Amino acid sequence: AQTVTQSQPEMSVQEAETVTLSCTYDTSENNYYLFWYKQPPSRQMILVIRQEAYKQQNATENRFSVNFQKAAKSFSLKISDSQLGDTAMYFCAFTNSGGSNYKLTFGKGTLLTVNP
Amino acid sequence: GAGVSQSPRYKVAKRGQDVALRCDPISGHVSLFWYQQALGQGPEFLTYFQNEAQLDKSGLPSDRFFAERPEGSVSTLKIQRTQQEDSAVYLCASSLVGLGVRETQYFGPGTRLLVL
Repeated sequence: AQTVTQSQPEMSVQEAETVTLSCTYDTSENNYYLFWYKQPPSRQMILVIRQEAYKQQNATENRFSVNFQKAAKSFSLKISDSQLGDTAMYFCAFTNSGGSNYKLTFGKGTLLTVNP
Repeated sequence: GAGVSQSPRYKVAKRGQDVALRCDPISGHVSLFWYQQALGQGPEFLTYFQNEAQLDKSGLPSDRFFAERPEGSVSTLKIQRTQQEDSAVYLCASSLVGLGVRETQYFGPGTRLLVL
């Protein structure tokens, strides 16, 4: 079974600074997909960024980028130029590329607070 | 509608009562998912529908949990004889087409269930 571990329950950062959220995972699969989801307070969870394991290039989406280290099974999220609206719970998630590739496995989340 | 909606947003039930949670996916979305998010945890997969067919119910914790999507649009998650351990946020998500990890799952705001 796949597992996803987020070792930082809470983090804080000053507005405009950069922060990195950690995620490690465990799987025996060779091909899979990794995601970061954002869950703002009392609002819907939304997809921030995704990474396909067979792609060596790290995914980027505007101020959000990942550092994907396949051998180390590490998938960290870097948020540059942090904004107050980035305050949210962030979940790392995994799915394999096989038959049940719709089934997301989530970590416990990291609560990020951006301070003015 | 513009997004996935869920009702009720909050539900308080006495232990032993039956509850029904509703999900309205994005119009035209083929796939629908239910997740359970316990306090301080990441969401956990419950079940998956493709149109009206329930293709995976492996995450349902017991036979007290039942989900349906009779016309391939609205879905209902029913919990019979609720117990305190059922207290959680129940999230619904939908995606445009069928199996395929490239399809983004769009989440609803969740129903927070408290069983007393």
